Amino acid sequence: QSALTQPASVSGSPGQSITISCTGTSSDVGGYNYVSWYQQHPGKAPKLMIYDVSNRPSGVSNRFSGSKSGNTASLTISGLQAEDEADYYCSSYTSSSYVFGTGTKVTVL
Amino acid sequence: QITLKESGPTLVKPTQTLTLTCTFSGFSLSTSGVGVGWIRQPPGKALEWLALIYWDDDKRYSPSLKSRLTITKDTSKNQVVLTMTNMDPVDTATYYCAHRILGGPNFDYWGQGTLVTVSS
Repeated sequence: QSALTQPASVSGSPGQSITISCTGTSSDVGGYNYVSWYQQHPGKAPKLMIYDVSNRPSGVSNRFSGSKSGNTASLTISGLQAEDEADYYCSSYTSSSYVFGTGTKVTVL
Repeated sequence: QITLKESGPTLVKPTQTLTLTCTFSGFSLSTSGVGVGWIRQPPGKALEWLALIYWDDDKRYSPSLKSRLTITKDTSKNQVVLTMTNMDPVDTATYYCAHRILGGPNFDYWGQGTLVTVSS
């Protein structure tokens, strides 16, 4: 069970849109519509931003959206804001267990 | 309001067994669909899912750590306990417990985390 692959870093200017990819296999990301995304600020617990590929929990800004194509899931942040600077992790269901991604550091320029 | 809090030793010696307790409020682990999981994060590294226990006592473990992990629940005390045997310095991490909603790895409420250091 290998970690899902994410880019180490993604950056953008305020107001721009960025997309973070999360690549797995047909045994995890590609096999189920069970991908979640988490935001983590330094020293804080992760926060659920997207669940089941594209659903937003109550209270999460609609600037955050999720999608999936084949074995790759994506998180898009539109209208980038300074407060979006954080680490982001994807997670997927896989054969009776879960796996997290390698993590992506988002920098707001 | 759902809250969770982890408790346990902050320092363990190599080869010892770690026992962590997650005490929660605001939900019942006897309610259909509810789960509580454990996730850890070594300093400066990525999240790693460890284990999950469901309302019906079904248990799931990370394949790579399955032989070392045991997860149990005490519904009357609103607690979930994780034990990890044969601790090693590479197990040094912040350990989180989290409430899971229906579907996939959807952990919507997290504890503050507890840092466990493995050192002699």
